Amino acid sequence: ETGVTQTPRHLVMGMTNKKSLKCEQHLGHNAMYWYKQSAKKPLELMFVYSLEERVENNSVPSRFSPECPNSSHLFLHLHTLQPEDSALYLCASSQDSGGAYNEQFFGPGTRLTVL
Amino acid sequence: AQKVTQAQTEISVVEKEDVTLDCVYETRDTTYYLFWYKQPPSGELVFLIRRNSFDEQNEISGRYSWNFQKSTSSFNFTITASQVVDSAVYFCALRNAGGTSYGKLTFGQGTILTVHP
Repeated sequence: ETGVTQTPRHLVMGMTNKKSLKCEQHLGHNAMYWYKQSAKKPLELMFVYSLEERVENNSVPSRFSPECPNSSHLFLHLHTLQPEDSALYLCASSQDSGGAYNEQFFGPGTRLTVL
Repeated sequence: AQKVTQAQTEISVVEKEDVTLDCVYETRDTTYYLFWYKQPPSGELVFLIRRNSFDEQNEISGRYSWNFQKSTSSFNFTITASQVVDSAVYFCALRNAGGTSYGKLTFGQGTILTVHP
């Protein structure tokens, strides 16, 4: 059983829709991350949460809105997306964000298609 | 600024061949960490190895081995006697040890490895 789960695994939405991606980690970690993986581009860090506090917003458009209600759950709220936002969205967690050597554990991702 | 380059976009080998995936990095920090991740078709990135910048010992884990050369800023990954199950996208990543890094990993573009039976 994977330590990081993401739902849904696939999502198709129109540009006017509002949807949310969910991530849950069962590892007792304190830091959680959202990444975007587009075709032929490196993984891009979007947001970092440490102990439920956002510690980094990597110049992400406001149509992406993260929420971390507790250290085990992370959401990414989506609204008024563009077709170029279609990508694989990966969630990750680590023991903490400050320990530079702490490896991150990734979920399986949500494949998002914006029509 | 830090950067990770994986020059090989795609590699195709036949089962049982050895294959090396190249990774070259750039950073101004003297203390940093290097990682390799595997991304199978299912999507999740699987952690393979972490290496500290002050530890240049090579590492072997079963059929996997890693060659860290600080002098050439390279952290190459070799799979010996490749198997079909090794087919995946492999990512090299770098993280500085600076206090405000907040876990930020800089990833390379990834190398798609296909192992044919």
